[in-house]
Order: sequence, then structure tokens, then C-alpha cells
Amino acid sequence: SAVISQKPSRDICQRGTSLTIQCQVDSQVTMMFWYRQQPGQSLTLIATANQGSEATYESGFVIDKFPISRPNLTFSTLTVSNMSPEDSSIYLCSAAMAGGPYNEQFFGPGTRLTVL
Amino acid sequence: DQQVKQNSPSLSVQEGRISILNCDYTNSMFDYFLWYKKYPAEGPTFLISISSIKDKNEDGRFTVFLNKSAKHLSLHIVPSQPGDSAVYFCAATPSGGYQKVTFGTGTKLQVIP
Repeated sequence: SAVISQKPSRDICQRGTSLTIQCQVDSQVTMMFWYRQQPGQSLTLIATANQGSEATYESGFVIDKFPISRPNLTFSTLTVSNMSPEDSSIYLCSAAMAGGPYNEQFFGPGTRLTVL
Repeated sequence: DQQVKQNSPSLSVQEGRISILNCDYTNSMFDYFLWYKKYPAEGPTFLISISSIKDKNEDGRFTVFLNKSAKHLSLHIVPSQPGDSAVYFCAATPSGGYQKVTFGTGTKLQVIP
């Protein structure tokens, strides 16, 4: 298994600003992902964070709005840019272990973002 | 288009009784299914999974049943315990290498002591 930490755990931000969320895994993992969970909704995959290259974004999510970095096998960041109240959500980082099933992912505790 | 549906947003069960959480899916390409449990202020944790080649998988108090023809799966918890109170997410994915996992909206289970 893997232990995943996220920082910050929560934040309240003003419209038009940006927030960077950090995700740290305690062991090397094959794949890292970023999800969003809006109130009362399911977890929606934003993108797959690829080590050393550009992230792979899902339909409806773009790099200019959600730039992602993954400089090594254990760390990734997600930036929510030019925020609006519609970005208020829980953002979750997850990872799949090297050699394990990609779909059995381990999740961080999430970052609760409120945009005013 | 919600490809994985959990039609019951909440469920209350007495301690010691069986909890049954249901999930339906629409995408015929899905052939690997997972259940995650989520406590407040924590991320989801993997609970149990089932491949489409099986119709049942059991792990302790947790059993997942899959009915491929009906595109339906269910999670049974027997006996239910107060510590099982959490939100349960059903998830599905095609098999073969890495494939995107699609989650349902979750069912909040409350086990009453």
C-alpha cells in the first residue's frame, strides 16, 4: 500500500487567484491522478500526472486551468488557476502502485477548496 | 452521462443486520468493478473488487455480487458494525493495462448501534 499526503488540507480563496495543491506519496508509484469531487457528486478524473512530461487531461479539463507537474515518482502538484466559485470542490490525489492493478488506487485525504 | 449509478444516496441499518448497497452501470466495456469506502475528511480507501469472470467475491464481512446480464452489482456487509458508517463508492473500469476508473455518486451508510 501507499500513504498519500496532501497540502493544504483546506483553503478559502478569492476569485481570480490560483492555488497549488501538493501531493506526496511515501513510496514510488507508477501512476498518479487528480480527481475533483463536487458537492453531492462522484469523483471526476481531472488528469493523469505523467512523470517528466505533460499530464493527460480528461474531456472538459484543460492545462491552462489545471496545470499539473510531476517531477518524480512520488510527488505531484495541481494548480487551480484563475479560480471562480464554481471551482469550490474537494480535490483528491491518488496513486497506483508499481506492479499493482492500475485501478486499485490509493487516495490522499483531499483538499477542500472554497472560492469566494 | 452517469455510467455508474448508485440510486440510493443514503441507507440506515441496525447493527448486526445486513447492509446491501446497490450499483448499476451502463457501459458494456466495463469488466472490473471496485468498491471504495470514504470516511469524512479522508480519501476513499479500496475495499473490494470483482472481475467480470466471477459473480461473487468475498472478503471477511464484505461480499460483492455481480450480475453482468443486468449490469448490476451489490455490496453486502454482514454483520454491519457502527464503524462501517461511511460513504461507499462503486467504481468500474474496462480491463487491460491502465484504464480510467469511473465512480458512482456514493451511498452514505449509517449503521445504528
